[in-house]
Amino acid sequence: DQQVKQNSPSLSVQEGRISILNCDYTNSMFDYFLWYKKYPAEGPTFLISISSIKDKNEDGRFTVFLNKSAKHLSLHIVPSQPGDSAVYFCAASEGDFNKFYFGSGTKLNVKP
Amino acid sequence: EAQVTQNPRYLITVTGKKLTVTCSQNMNHEYMSWYRQDPGLGLRQIYYSMNVEVTDKGDVPEGYKVSRKEKRNFPLILESPSPNQTSLYFCASSLPGGMNTEAFFGQGTRLTVV
Repeated sequence: DQQVKQNSPSLSVQEGRISILNCDYTNSMFDYFLWYKKYPAEGPTFLISISSIKDKNEDGRFTVFLNKSAKHLSLHIVPSQPGDSAVYFCAASEGDFNKFYFGSGTKLNVKP
Repeated sequence: EAQVTQNPRYLITVTGKKLTVTCSQNMNHEYMSWYRQDPGLGLRQIYYSMNVEVTDKGDVPEGYKVSRKEKRNFPLILESPSPNQTSLYFCASSLPGGMNTEAFFGQGTRLTVV
C-alpha cells in the first residue's frame, strides 16, 4: 500500500496563475518531505523540501505547505510559467533513514 | 559537474538474457539506491546501499541483484529478465542522514523485456 499518494494524475493551469499540487501521506513517522520535478527523458531533480518542524518553506516562486494533523502537503507555484510543465513527485522520509517514499506523480501543464 | 550516470539509457532484451545496468556517481555519496517507475505507481525502491559492501532490499527486490564494491558504482543486475521488469529505472545517490538531504538521480534507463 502506497504511503505517499498524489491523487491528481494531471493538472492544467494558465500561465501566470497559481498551480497547487497536493500530496497525502499515511505514515505519521515521516519527518522530511520533498518535491521533485521531472522532465521527459530526464531523471527527477530536487525542487524544494520541508521538515516536520515547519509548516511552510518558500523558495522563489515555489512554496511548500505542510499540515501534519491532516498528513497533507502541497506545492504552490506562483506565477506558473510554461517551463514549469513537468511531472511533479512528492516524497517523504523518516528519521535518519535515506529511504524515500514517492507518490505516483502529477503531470502539470502550464498553458501559454 | 556533480552527476549520477546510468548506462545504457535504452535497452531492449529478451526474456532470460542476463543484463547489467551501470550507475556511477561523482559526489562521494555513501547512500545509493535503485528505483523503478511504473505508470500510476510512482517511484518504487528496488535495492539500496548505505556504503561499500552494505546493501539491502527495498520494496520490490524480486528478480534483481546489486553489488557495491566501490563507493562510486552501484550496478543493477537482472539475472533472468522477465516482461514484468519492463520499466523505467533510476539510480540515485545521497549523503547519509535522511533529513536535509536530497537524492540526486540519474537520467534513467528504459528497459523493455520481450
